[in-house]
Amino acid sequence: ETGVTQSPTHLIKTRGQQVTLRCSSQSGHNTVSWYQQALGQGPQFIFQYYREEENGRGNFPPRFSGLQFPNYSSELNVNALELDDSALYLCASSLAGEFNSPLHFGNGTRLTVT
Amino acid sequence: RKEVEQDPGPFNVPEGATVAFNCTYSNSASQSFFWYRQDCRKEPKLLMSVYSSGNEDGRFTAQLNRASQYISLLIRDSKLSDSATYLCVVNKGYSTLTFGKGTMLLVSP
Repeated sequence: ETGVTQSPTHLIKTRGQQVTLRCSSQSGHNTVSWYQQALGQGPQFIFQYYREEENGRGNFPPRFSGLQFPNYSSELNVNALELDDSALYLCASSLAGEFNSPLHFGNGTRLTVT
Repeated sequence: RKEVEQDPGPFNVPEGATVAFNCTYSNSASQSFFWYRQDCRKEPKLLMSVYSSGNEDGRFTAQLNRASQYISLLIRDSKLSDSATYLCVVNKGYSTLTFGKGTMLLVSP
């Protein structure tokens, strides 16, 4: 069974640029959630995708957007990057209906905005 | 008030010590509870779920008090390999997790 995989592992961008991060869900999982973890903080919920639609969103501005594909993989897009967007971005997949199960994360993408 | 609050760290303990982490949560509708462990520059990994009756996994014991909205994690006989940040996590439903800031544990020889 393949777990959650994320790419790239590391990324450096300049303020104002756009970035796309990718996540492949665990086999059999149809829901993908994205989290942002700034240095010294716990992960913060960005949004969740189910059936290719956003299915819940945290307190993040619209320049954070996402996609989910028919194979349940997902992308996180961030436009107009700001220095504070520097963080570890984590993806987790789950099975819809297992509402109270824990999440298992991919190894994350570390984004640095200069 | 933050949704999930944890003891500020770091906790510095010698090998073999017993250490306890405390956590409170604000949303009484929270449905499930977990402790995650995060090593430096790695992703968080599930340590254990927390059940109302309390549960134990080897040297680790987790407790939940719904009335007080309080969660705890006890680590007995600390090992060097226990050094990590411990994250208290609450699930409000629909697989949406709310994390505390984490408490760092440093176990020294």
